[in-house]
Amino acid sequence: NAGVTQTPKFQVLKTGQSMTLQCAQDMNHNSMYWYRQDPGMGLRLIYYSASEGTTDKGEVPNGYNVSRLNKREFSLRLESAAPSQTSVYFCASSTYGNSGNTIYFGEGSWLTVV
Amino acid sequence: AQSVTQLGSHVSVSEGALVLLRCNYSSSVPPYLFWYVQYPNQGLQLLLKYTSAATLVKGINGFEAEFKKSETSFHLTKPSAHMSDAAEYFCAVSDRGGSYIPTFGRGTSLIVHP
Repeated sequence: NAGVTQTPKFQVLKTGQSMTLQCAQDMNHNSMYWYRQDPGMGLRLIYYSASEGTTDKGEVPNGYNVSRLNKREFSLRLESAAPSQTSVYFCASSTYGNSGNTIYFGEGSWLTVV
Repeated sequence: AQSVTQLGSHVSVSEGALVLLRCNYSSSVPPYLFWYVQYPNQGLQLLLKYTSAATLVKGINGFEAEFKKSETSFHLTKPSAHMSDAAEYFCAVSDRGGSYIPTFGRGTSLIVHP
């Protein structure tokens, strides 16, 4: 049961470098999400994709771009990393149904920008 | 617009004591409600969810939560805390109509003392 798989687990970047966080889900879910988690701030939505071919901004999209490559994969790109982007990033997926929108999370990616 | 408030960023209990984590929501219509748990260095996993079938919802690991419409609350309880319950707990709410994307609270860290 892989569920939601995201890579890399840990990454250290220098200010100004770029990188892409990869995410894939094997649950045939329509929707995928990228969140960041910071101490005392809870989870904040960066971008989401309601279905293949669509992406939308969340609460904190500045400095990020996303690509919904296909139904399984949803990547997050930092074009020019800044120290303020030091965070834990979570990819997630879901399918909205009669019992609401239960979100399934990956294990997280710890990113440090120095 | 929906929102969720978790009272207390930290809750400390002794092993064997009652666990009570508070969650209040605001939503224009009776919402879907969720509790997630995050163990150290892991992603979030679903503990339980309210979908309207029953106001008292039982989840994994002995946790349960009661939906109280009059109080707009969905507090999480467990009769007897175990050391293994030490984790971060997140309450989330999503509307039945409109945006299906859950809004997360800022989290409550449960500390269990021997």
